[in-house]
Amino acid sequence: AQSVTQLDSQVPVFEEAPVELRCNYSSSVSVYLFWYVQYPNQGLQLLLKYLSGSTLVKSINGFEAEFNKSQTSFHLRKPSVHISDTAEYFCAVTLANQAGTALIFGKGTTLSVSS
Amino acid sequence: GAVVSQHPSRVICKSGTSVKIECRSLDFQATTMFWYRQFPKQSLMLMATSNEGSKATYEQGVEKDKFLINHASLTLSTLTVTSAHPEDSSFYICSVVLGGYGYTFGSGTRLTVV
Repeated sequence: AQSVTQLDSQVPVFEEAPVELRCNYSSSVSVYLFWYVQYPNQGLQLLLKYLSGSTLVKSINGFEAEFNKSQTSFHLRKPSVHISDTAEYFCAVTLANQAGTALIFGKGTTLSVSS
Repeated sequence: GAVVSQHPSRVICKSGTSVKIECRSLDFQATTMFWYRQFPKQSLMLMATSNEGSKATYEQGVEKDKFLINHASLTLSTLTVTSAHPEDSSFYICSVVLGGYGYTFGSGTRLTVV
């Protein structure tokens, strides 16, 4: 079975500071990896995903994540955060090459950006 | 991208009553839908996988007689919480997958059982 560990439950940062949200996964087979963001009382929005190809993937709003197979990690980074980035962030995995299987989520990291 | 509509967004019901939550895919046919449950400040826990025209597959520990899932058409899946109790109060989210790995989520339903 697959599992996801998000090492930090809460990450407080100041505006314009860099941030890293850590995600490690466990699986005996190949997986695909995702980062989602959730604002209060809303569903999830996809930030970025790694399926294949370049191990560094980027979102349109400045986030990036790098798939590291040897470290079994998929950490999310942003060089300069904004107040509006305050939200809950979830790392998720699914089985590679088995389309249509469910996502398995980590426990989430609350990113709080203050001025 | 795919659009998923989930209703209601909020519902309050009395203990012992049943509540139905709908999840609709608006612009494509969804053979498979997923139902998740999220407790406050916690992760999304997969409850079941709903397949059109067949019985849902429930995760271990999820009571299938309590959480009835029906996926009668390619655009609609419903989750009915039967004989609801306060401990069923939670945030329920549906998800569909398009093209293998294009997961889209509904906006969620906040269920409060009083």
